[in-house]
Amino acid sequence: DTEVTQTPKHLVMGMTNKKSLKCEQHMGHRAMYWYKQKAKKPPELMFVYSYEKLSINESVPSRFSPECPNSSLLNLHLHALQPEDSALYLCASSRIPLLGEAFFGQGTRLTVV
Amino acid sequence: QQQVKQSPQSLIVQKGGIPIINCAYENTAFDYFPWYQQFPGKGPALLIAIRPDVSEKKEGRFTISFNKSAKQFSLHIMDSQPGDSATYFCAATGKTSGSRLTFGEGTQLTVNP
Repeated sequence: DTEVTQTPKHLVMGMTNKKSLKCEQHMGHRAMYWYKQKAKKPPELMFVYSYEKLSINESVPSRFSPECPNSSLLNLHLHALQPEDSALYLCASSRIPLLGEAFFGQGTRLTVV
Repeated sequence: QQQVKQSPQSLIVQKGGIPIINCAYENTAFDYFPWYQQFPGKGPALLIAIRPDVSEKKEGRFTISFNKSAKQFSLHIMDSQPGDSATYFCAATGKTSGSRLTFGEGTQLTVNP
C-alpha cells in the first residue's frame, strides 16, 4: 500500500468555523508533512513531523494547528481562516531522512468564504 | 542557495514530440533530484528521480539527464501523448535540507493530439 489518504476531498468553511483535515498512511513512514499549494504554484511546506514530533514549522499562522496522534495519522486543525487561505492542502509522507520518495495524497481543496 | 530554477513555465507540443524541461540548482549539498507530475485537482506523484552519481536515468518514456558540473538536470518525455498533459515540478533535497523538498516553479505541459 503506497497510498496517502486525505479527507475530506473538498471543504468549504466560513471564517468563524473550526474544521480539521485528516491524513493517513500505512507505509511505515515516520515523517509526515503538510503542504499548501496555490493555483499554478509549487507546494509550499507548512509543517513536518518526524517520529510524531513537530520538527519544522515554516512560520505558519497559528490559525493552522497540526497534530500527529500516531505514526499513521496526521491532522491539520483550522480555525478563523481567511479567504486567502483557500488552497489545495497536501499531506505527504516519507522515510527519515528524506533521501528518497515523498508520497503525496490527493489533497483537500479548501475554500474559505 | 536553496532555489531550484525551472524552465519553461509552459510548453506546448504535438503528440509524438519530445518536450524538454530544464532545472538548475545552486546548493551543492543537494543529492536527490525527483520529478513530480501533477494532474489538475490531484496531488503530485513521483515520476522519476536521479542521484548525482549518474548522468542519465531512463524509465519508460521518461529520461532525466544530469550535469553535475553545470548543476543542471532536465526531463525528456519521448513520444509524448495527450495523457502526459500535466504540470511537472522538478525538486531537490539532500542531507542538509532537513526533510525539505525544494521545488521548481513548475512547467505546464500540453500535448496536442
